[in-house]
Amino acid sequence: GDSVTQMEGPVTLSEEAFLTINCTYTATGYPSLFWYVQYPGEGLQLLLKATKADDKGSNKGFEATYRKETTSFHLEKGSVQVSDSAVYFCALSGGQAGTALIFGKGTTLSVSS
Amino acid sequence: DAGVIQSPRHEVTEMGQEVTLRCKPISGHNSLFWYRQTMMRGLELLIYFNNNVPIDDSGMPEDRFSAKMPNASFSTLKIQPSEPRDSAVYFCASREGQANTEAFFGQGTRLTVV
Repeated sequence: GDSVTQMEGPVTLSEEAFLTINCTYTATGYPSLFWYVQYPGEGLQLLLKATKADDKGSNKGFEATYRKETTSFHLEKGSVQVSDSAVYFCALSGGQAGTALIFGKGTTLSVSS
Repeated sequence: DAGVIQSPRHEVTEMGQEVTLRCKPISGHNSLFWYRQTMMRGLELLIYFNNNVPIDDSGMPEDRFSAKMPNASFSTLKIQPSEPRDSAVYFCASREGQANTEAFFGQGTRLTVV
């Protein structure tokens, strides 16, 4: 069935460092891919998305490119801030599982000043 | 719109008791999802509905769990009887339209079973 695999955390960085969080997926068909972010004590909120191969999603300095050949959707940011500290989830929808929204286990990012 | 509304925000109950979690999706959204979040297992999809009809409940852990969506504006997740291992944060999310659209999450219900 459809699944999402993220790199294990936590990821600890200093302010202004470069961030990469790896995400790969398994799905039949052409799923849409998402990154969601969860701040402490809150629900998840959409960070960015891509709906077809080679699309690049971007928001708040974060970006990710839908790579069908490597089944990947890695999240990157050139210069992280303390306020970026949160849990990041990679997700897919629309593959074999139909319209279900399937998440990876999440990666905790901690940024220090 | 007030967003997805879940109640209660926190629930503490004794083992063996029935627990009912509630969710009001965003008006006009036709898909609704229930998730459970724990440190060990991450975010697990329990069940989802399209147009009030359960599509896939394969994530429901066992028969003690049940979910209903009697109309487009309300859903419940019930655990009977509850056990300590059910302690988790339960999230409801709703979405409009197709698989490539954004899902909106509620604030979650933190359930503690003692």
